[in-house]
Amino acid sequence: SQQGEEDPQALSIQEGENATMNCSYKTSINNLQWYRQNSGRGLVHLILIRSNEREKHSGRLRVTLDTSKKSSSLLITASRAADTASYFCATDPNSGGSNYKLTFGKGTLLTVNP
Amino acid sequence: EAQVTQNPRYLITVTGKKLTVTCSQNMNHEYMSWYRQDPGLGLRQIYYSMNVEVTDKGDVPEGYKVSRKEKRNFPLILESPSPNQTSLYFCASSFRPGLDYEQYFGPGTRLTVT
Repeated sequence: SQQGEEDPQALSIQEGENATMNCSYKTSINNLQWYRQNSGRGLVHLILIRSNEREKHSGRLRVTLDTSKKSSSLLITASRAADTASYFCATDPNSGGSNYKLTFGKGTLLTVNP
Repeated sequence: EAQVTQNPRYLITVTGKKLTVTCSQNMNHEYMSWYRQDPGLGLRQIYYSMNVEVTDKGDVPEGYKVSRKEKRNFPLILESPSPNQTSLYFCASSFRPGLDYEQYFGPGTRLTVT
C-alpha cells in the first residue's frame, strides 16, 4: 500500500495564485522529500525536510511537516505557468532496520493557467 | 554533467521476449533503484541496490531481475515480459541510501509489451 498520499489529486489555479498540496503518510519516517515531474519526464528533487524539522523554505517553495498528524504540505507562492507539473512526496519509512525502500505518493497534478 | 541515463527510451516488444533496460550514473552514487509509473498508481519501487552486489526487493519486484556488478550500472531485466509490465520505467540514484540525499532520476523508458 502507498505510504505517502498526496491531496488533492488535481489542482487548477491562475498564474500568480498560491498552490498548496498535501501529503499524508502512515508510519513514522526519517525524512520526507518533494519532487516535481513535468509530463512524462523524470522526477526532479525540490526540497528535503527531516523528521525533526517543522518548516523549510526554498525560493517560492515552503514545506511544512507535522509528524503528529503524519502530514506534510507544499506551498508554491506566486505560481507561474512553468510550475505546471505533477508533484510527489517521497518518504523513507523508519522501520528501525536496514530497509531502504523509498515510497512515493500518487502525485498532485498542478495546472497553472496563464 | 551529472546525470542518470537510461536506454532505450522507448521500446515495443512482444510477450516472452527477454529484454534489458540499462541504467548508468556518473556521480559515483552508492544507491540506485528502479521504479515503474502507472496511471492512478503513482511511482512504485521495483528493486533497489545499496552498493555493488547488494540488491533488494522494492514493492513490486515480481517479473523483474536486477544486477549491480559495477557501481555505475544497474540494469533492469525482464526475463519473460508480459502485457501487465507495460509501463513507464525510471532509474534513480543517490549518494547514499535513504532520503538523506536527493534522488536523481533518469529520463524514463516507455515500455509496451504486446
